[in-house]
Amino acid sequence: GQQLNQSPQSMFIQEGEDVSMNCTSSSIFNTWLWYKQDPGEGPVLLIALYKAGELTSNGRLTAQFGITRKDSFLNISASIPSDVGIYFCAGRGAGNNRKLIWGLGTSLAVNP
Amino acid sequence: ETGVTQTPRHLVMGMTNKKSLKCEQHLGHNAMYWYKQSAKKPLELMFVYNFKEQTENNSVPSRFSPECPNSSHLFLHLHTLQPEDSALYLCASSQEEELFFGSGTQLSVL
Repeated sequence: GQQLNQSPQSMFIQEGEDVSMNCTSSSIFNTWLWYKQDPGEGPVLLIALYKAGELTSNGRLTAQFGITRKDSFLNISASIPSDVGIYFCAGRGAGNNRKLIWGLGTSLAVNP
Repeated sequence: ETGVTQTPRHLVMGMTNKKSLKCEQHLGHNAMYWYKQSAKKPLELMFVYNFKEQTENNSVPSRFSPECPNSSHLFLHLHTLQPEDSALYLCASSQEEELFFGSGTQLSVL
């Protein structure tokens, strides 16, 4: 079946540093979604990507839809303490593979 | 009230109890979902409803029984659960590709 590899599994950084995480798929996706989940809450959508090569920003967050359509990247610039949480990627294929596939998450800790 | 609202936020139940989780969305979406979130595992899709009709059941045990009376409300009825069913249960809604989640119900089965 389809699998998503999300890395790194966890990160511990200093406030002000930039962060980069990525997801890779074993098959081609048409949609990539990036979510953030705070403790005790549900995932919140950060960025949605629909086109290969697409680069989309949301404040200090930037995500890219990889050219191969098998990967996506999320970057956070100038991290702040409230960036702490778990970041999830999710991807969806086409045709009979439209089920949304989820990564295991990247846990981010920020040292003030 | 906006977004997706789930109640209760926390639930502790014994294996012989019957309880229900409730979800309400105020986004005007046509699709609603139940997901299970357990540690070290990807989000597991349980059920999907489109326009009140169940369109997906991912081999979920019959001790979980969903109900969707209209496009805005979704329930998950629970009975004779097992300790391994302890998890965060998330409701979501969507109109197109993007899912919007509630805060979840943290369920503990004793």
